[in-house]
Formats: sequence, C-alpha cells, structure tokens
Amino acid sequence: GENVEQHPSTLSVQEGDSAVIKCTYSDSASNYFPWYKQELGKRPQLIIDIRSNVGEKKDQRIAVTLNKTAKHFSLHITETQPEDSAVYFCAASNSGYALNFGKGTSLLVTP
Amino acid sequence: DAMVIQNPRYQVTQFGKPVTLSCSQTLNHNVMYWYQQKSSQAPKLLFHYYDKDFNNEADTPDNFQSRRPNTSFCFLDIRSPGLGDAAMYLCATSRTGANTDTQYFGPGTRLTVL
Repeated sequence: GENVEQHPSTLSVQEGDSAVIKCTYSDSASNYFPWYKQELGKRPQLIIDIRSNVGEKKDQRIAVTLNKTAKHFSLHITETQPEDSAVYFCAASNSGYALNFGKGTSLLVTP
Repeated sequence: DAMVIQNPRYQVTQFGKPVTLSCSQTLNHNVMYWYQQKSSQAPKLLFHYYDKDFNNEADTPDNFQSRRPNTSFCFLDIRSPGLGDAAMYLCATSRTGANTDTQYFGPGTRLTVL
C-alpha cells in the first residue's frame, strides 16, 4: 500500500518567515495530494491540493509543489502569521478511496 | 451552514459498554467515511460507504461497525470499547468517491473510555 512520510515533525518559525513541509510517497500511481490544517481540537481543513497533472499550485500565501519523478511534494507558507500555528497533514491518494496521511507537522509561528 | 455534523462532540463510555457515534451531512455527497485519530497521530480510515455499499479497511477491528440508513446519516458503532479505542472519531464525506475528490471532515467526536 501507499506509504507517506512527512518531515519535519515539528517546525518553529518567526512571524513573517517562510515555512516548508516536505512529504514523500511510495506509490507511483498516486495522483492526488491534499494538505490539511488541523488546529487543536478541531477538524482537519483542506487548505490546498494538487493533482498529478500539474507541478505547482498557489493560493495567496500557500503553495504546493509536486515532483512526480522523485515522488515528493511540499507545502510552502510565506509571510507566516501566528494563526498559521497548527498541525499540517499531507496525504496521497491513488485509485482507492483512502487518503494516506503523513504523520503530521506541528508548526509554531512565534510573534 | 454546517456541512458535516457530528454528535455528540464528546462521549464518555465505560469499558465494554456499547457506544454509537453519529454523523450527518447536508452536502448530499455519495461517500461517507469514518476515521480514527489518536492523540498526535494522523487520521486512520476505518471504513467508508459509497451510497449503501459498505467497505471495510482490512485492519479495522471487528469491534467497529457502521450503518448508513440514508444518504444524510452514518453511524459508527463500537460494540465493546476498550481503553485503546479512546480517540477522536472523524466523519468525512466526498461527492463521488473518485480519489481526486475533496474529503470534507466533520468536527469529530472525542471518545473517552473509563
């Protein structure tokens, strides 16, 4: 089955700096890669996703890049703000229904 | 404008006492999922329904069952909760079940087993 690895497990940045979270996946058939943000005690919320037919997608301060050859994808957050502090999960999906999640990155943005 | 609703938000049960968690959706999505999320871990899929078709993940314990009486509602039944079943249980939906469909999560039910 699909195995998704996510790094780092914790990340601390100063407000205004950029944050980068990286994920690798094992199944070359995976073609959908969402990123979820989960604040403490709340639901995971989709913040951005990318499909395998594109290499990069951007939405305001958030961007995701995908390298299908290397089987890795990354989340980039620019101009971080304290409200960006949360746990971020990457996921990969192939032909099945399941989202295969990474183990999460706890991001702390300090003022 | 809640889209995926879970009740209750917090549930306390005793070891071995059956418990049912509820999920409803206003999105009219075909697929409903149940995930288990333990502390500091990623959500783990237990099973899903595509319409009325039930699909169990291979490693989901028999202790967990589900019912979907109609499009809007889905229930998670834990027949004999153990201490290891204490977790956040997340319901999610997607429109068609295609793997590129967005999954929308509910707020979760936090289960405590005493």
